[in-house]
Amino acid sequence: GAGVSQSPSNKVTEKGKDVELRCDPISGHTALYWYRQRLGQGLEFLIYFQGNSAPDKSGLPSDRFSAERTGESVSTLTIQRTQQEDSAVYLCASSFLPSGAPIQETQYFGPGTRLLVL
Amino acid sequence: AQRVTQPEKLLSVFKGAPVELKCNYSYSGSPELFWYVQYSRQRLQLLLRHISRESIKGFTADLNKGETSFHLKKPFAQEEDSAMYYCALSNNAGNMLTFGGGTRLMVKP
Repeated sequence: GAGVSQSPSNKVTEKGKDVELRCDPISGHTALYWYRQRLGQGLEFLIYFQGNSAPDKSGLPSDRFSAERTGESVSTLTIQRTQQEDSAVYLCASSFLPSGAPIQETQYFGPGTRLLVL
Repeated sequence: AQRVTQPEKLLSVFKGAPVELKCNYSYSGSPELFWYVQYSRQRLQLLLRHISRESIKGFTADLNKGETSFHLKKPFAQEEDSAMYYCALSNNAGNMLTFGGGTRLMVKP
């Protein structure tokens, strides 16, 4: 079956512009996560969506970052007024996590969007 | 706060040699730990998780709560094991993974 997909695969933008990154999770997966990976570093949690619950935005680095998810489908990560330090690979992951599940289910990752801010 | 540390950015071994990728964590609750792997030109994928207590591709990892470690081991490395390996820790709510910085394993012929 289809895995997690992300678009675009690469994005080059100028400092100060807004960008939108898209994630299509695996069908039926209730949970969706966004991570950022800067060059040579590990993954940094950004935001988590679970069903219709309020998202966990605790990892968003600034108010220039926001994300939305429509139901249990597509999510969009928006970065406003991009800065050079926003350059990174943005990874999306999804998992099937029933409400009240006591354990973390396997996260399935997309290929990422490589963002370069000039 | 939870934290995962992988002290080695690069580990280079010869084919057939044993390999151990180190992972230490800091967490006040009951930890749930994972190893994820990213092969060249592939996406990040789960390798194993400690609650499964299984061996995947010859790799095993034991949770040592006393030493707060979850080292990944394989007795005989293969060239196809060359990849980036990330150790990750889940919080009790199960809604967030904290990743280590990753270790690049290179297995030389």
